[in-house]
Amino acid sequence: AQSVSQHNHHVILSEAASLELGCNYSYGGTVNLFWYVQYPGQHLQLLLKYFSGDPLVKGIKGFEAEFIKSKFSFNLRKPSVQWSDTAEYFCAVNAPLDDLASGTYKYIFGTGTRLKVLA
Amino acid sequence: EAQVTQNPRYLITVTGKKLTVTCSQNMNHEYMSWYRQDPGLGLRQIYYSMNVEVTDKGDVPEGYKVSRKEKRNFPLILESPSPNQTSLYFCASRTSGVGETQYFGPGTRLLVL
Repeated sequence: AQSVSQHNHHVILSEAASLELGCNYSYGGTVNLFWYVQYPGQHLQLLLKYFSGDPLVKGIKGFEAEFIKSKFSFNLRKPSVQWSDTAEYFCAVNAPLDDLASGTYKYIFGTGTRLKVLA
Repeated sequence: EAQVTQNPRYLITVTGKKLTVTCSQNMNHEYMSWYRQDPGLGLRQIYYSMNVEVTDKGDVPEGYKVSRKEKRNFPLILESPSPNQTSLYFCASRTSGVGETQYFGPGTRLLVL
């Protein structure tokens, strides 16, 4: 079965530090990849997504992610974090529901990374 | 404004007392789903619906029911809630194409005593 792994569960950084959050997925076929952010007390919002083309994807608020197919990874980066980036970050994959290519796609979320940025 | 709405936002109930959490979207999306979010477990899909009258189990469907009588509404029903269903619930919707962005509701925080 497909899965998504986020290895960093909690990250604490000081303002202006650089950020990289890891995301690995298990499906070997064509996938679509997403990063969502959940600010405290709010619902999930899309940060960025990858469908095809340039593997370096730029999103909102200065975030970017790089799709490395050979490593099954889609890591999220930001050169200089701000206090307002404190949130939980979820990686997600949109992949076929089963290996038989039934035509049904589903989202699979990672367990999330809680980022705290110290002012 | 395009949005997914959920009601109620907060709910405290007791074991065994049936409850319904409503979800509505105004984007004419075919696909809707329910997730629960628990610390350390991320988001897990409870049920999803690919269109009206078409629903299917997600990863954690036990103890839940859903219905999709209209395109815009996708209520989540807990017939006999138990304390292990205390969680934060999100409804989401999207178009049915591959790789489409999901739009999430504001969440419903449920406490079952």
